[in-house]
Order: sequence, then C-alpha cells, then structure tokens
Amino acid sequence: NAGVTQTPKFQVLKTGQSMTLQCAQDMNHEYMSWYRQDPGMGLRLIHYSVGAGITDQGEVPNGYNVSRSTTEDFPLRLLSAAPSQTSVYFCASSPTSGASPLHFGNGTRLTVT
Amino acid sequence: GDSVTQMEGPVTLSEEAFLTINCTYTATGYPSLFWYVQYPGEGLQLLLKATKADDKGSNKGFEATYRKETTSFHLEKGSVQVSDSAVYFCALSSPNTGNQFYFGTGTSLTVIP
Repeated sequence: NAGVTQTPKFQVLKTGQSMTLQCAQDMNHEYMSWYRQDPGMGLRLIHYSVGAGITDQGEVPNGYNVSRSTTEDFPLRLLSAAPSQTSVYFCASSPTSGASPLHFGNGTRLTVT
Repeated sequence: GDSVTQMEGPVTLSEEAFLTINCTYTATGYPSLFWYVQYPGEGLQLLLKATKADDKGSNKGFEATYRKETTSFHLEKGSVQVSDSAVYFCALSSPNTGNQFYFGTGTSLTVIP
C-alpha cells in the first residue's frame, strides 16, 4: 500500500549542480504533478502530466524539466540549481484531473547553497 | 484567474474550542472544493471535499459547506483536540482551467491542552 513515493527525503546541492527528484505511484493514476511549497505561498504547480508521454507546464516551470515515460514514474529534474529553488517539493497523483482528489507523497526538502 | 483565499494564521486554540478557518474562492464555472491537512513532516492528506453547491463535506468531525452565493467553503469543527494541530489548506479544481488544482496559502493550527 505504498501510494506515492518520493526520494530522496532531504537533499543539499551547491549552486549550479543538477539532480533528479524521483516520484513513483503504484495506484495506476493517469494524472501526476509536481508542486513546490514555500512559506506564505502555499503550493505552486511546477509541471504536470495527464498520461504517459504527455507533460505540460504549470505556474512556475522555469529551471525544471519533467518526463513521463511510464504511468508509474514522474521524475523532476533541476538543470542548474539556484538558491531560489530551495523549497519543499511534493509529487501528487490522481486517477484523472478534476474532481478526483490528489494523493501526495511525503515530500523532498531541498536546500541549495 | 481561479484562486483561493484563506484566513491568515497561525491559529492557537485550547482543547475543546470551536474552530473556523475561512476560505473563499474565485472561479468561473462550477469548481470542486477541497480541504487538505498537513501534519509535520508529511505530505498533504485529503480531509474532505464537495463537488457542487450546497454539498457538505465531512470527515473526522470536520465539516465544510459549498456556498456558491458567498463563494465560500469554511472549515469548522465543534471541539478540537491536540491531535488536530496541523496546517490546513483549502483548494479548488475547475474544469474551466483544465482541472488544475489551486491551493490557498495554508492556515497553521495549534491546539493546546
């Protein structure tokens, strides 16, 4: 009964480094998304996918890439980390977008120095 | 565009006090409305939802009624417990905006014995 699994839980990067945040779900959900959570700003959508092979940008996509080669996995890539990308990142999925509620992972806390 | 506004926190209550967290929304069409709860170090969990006007969502003693005339979805609980201490997020999803989720900034609740 894993649900949405995110790895790693914590990560520290230096400015300019790249890395990939992993997200996997075992519920056969078509819709997957990435959010960042910053104090006083709630959750902001970075990228989302409505199915394998389909991705689209959200509210704050700059500096991030995604791909969706399988239904289960939706990795988020930071191309060249910046201190402004210090945040908590959440992956979420649902059977379809819309009235179906999102299921969230436990988050990755990223610090960029 | 679509948006959610919820009351600023933090909120501190004594055990058994009455809780209200205000949430209003702006959306075209007929959005679905949600309350999520986030416990420390965890991802967001669905607390309750309502998908049409006058619907009441309820769970674990919490309630919220979808009021289209006042564009509101206030969260209430008659008697809070220490275990209710968490951050609460109001959210909407609207078919008019591709069924994307929009979150409020969150309200931190601390319940003291």
